[in-house]
Amino acid sequence: GDSVTQMEGPVTLSEEACLTINCTYTATGYPSLFWYVQYPGEGLQLLLKATKADDKGSNKGFEATYRKETTSFHLEKGSVQVSDSAVYFCALGSGYALNFGKGTSLLVTP
Amino acid sequence: DTGVSQDPRHKITKRGQNVTFRCDPISEHNRLYWYRQTLGQGPEFLTYFQNEAQLEKSRLLSDRFSAERPKGSFSTLEIQRTEQGDSAMYLCASSLSGRQETQYFGPGTRLLVL
Repeated sequence: GDSVTQMEGPVTLSEEACLTINCTYTATGYPSLFWYVQYPGEGLQLLLKATKADDKGSNKGFEATYRKETTSFHLEKGSVQVSDSAVYFCALGSGYALNFGKGTSLLVTP
Repeated sequence: DTGVSQDPRHKITKRGQNVTFRCDPISEHNRLYWYRQTLGQGPEFLTYFQNEAQLEKSRLLSDRFSAERPKGSFSTLEIQRTEQGDSAMYLCASSLSGRQETQYFGPGTRLLVL
């Protein structure tokens, strides 16, 4: 069945460092791919999405490219801020339900 | 657009009690979803509605769980005879069906069963 695998955390970075969170997927068909972010004590917020191969989603300085050949959707940001500290979830949507990875916790220190 | 809202935000109950959660979706959205999230895990799909029809239920949704969406607006999720293993965050999401469908999540209801 469809599934998502994302790198385990926690990831700790200094402010202004570069971020990459790896996400790979297994799916039949042509799913949509998403990154959601969860701040402490809050629900999930959509960060970005891509609906077909080679699409690039971007928001708030974060980017991810839908790579069909490597079945990947890695999240990147060139310069992280303390306010980016959160848990990041990669998700795959095909049909109705979203399949989520286990989440990657990011802590950015001043 | 006020977003998806859920009530209550927190619930503490004793084992064996019944609990009910409410979700109000974004007003024009015709699809509504329930997910469960345990500590350190991603959300897991429980069930979804298109308008008032419940179209799919996960095997995670035991007989003690029931969900409704009367009139295709708000939804309720009831857990009967709660067990300690039911302790989790219950998330509701809504979407507008279509090719670029995106689910928007509420803040969740955190349930603790003692």
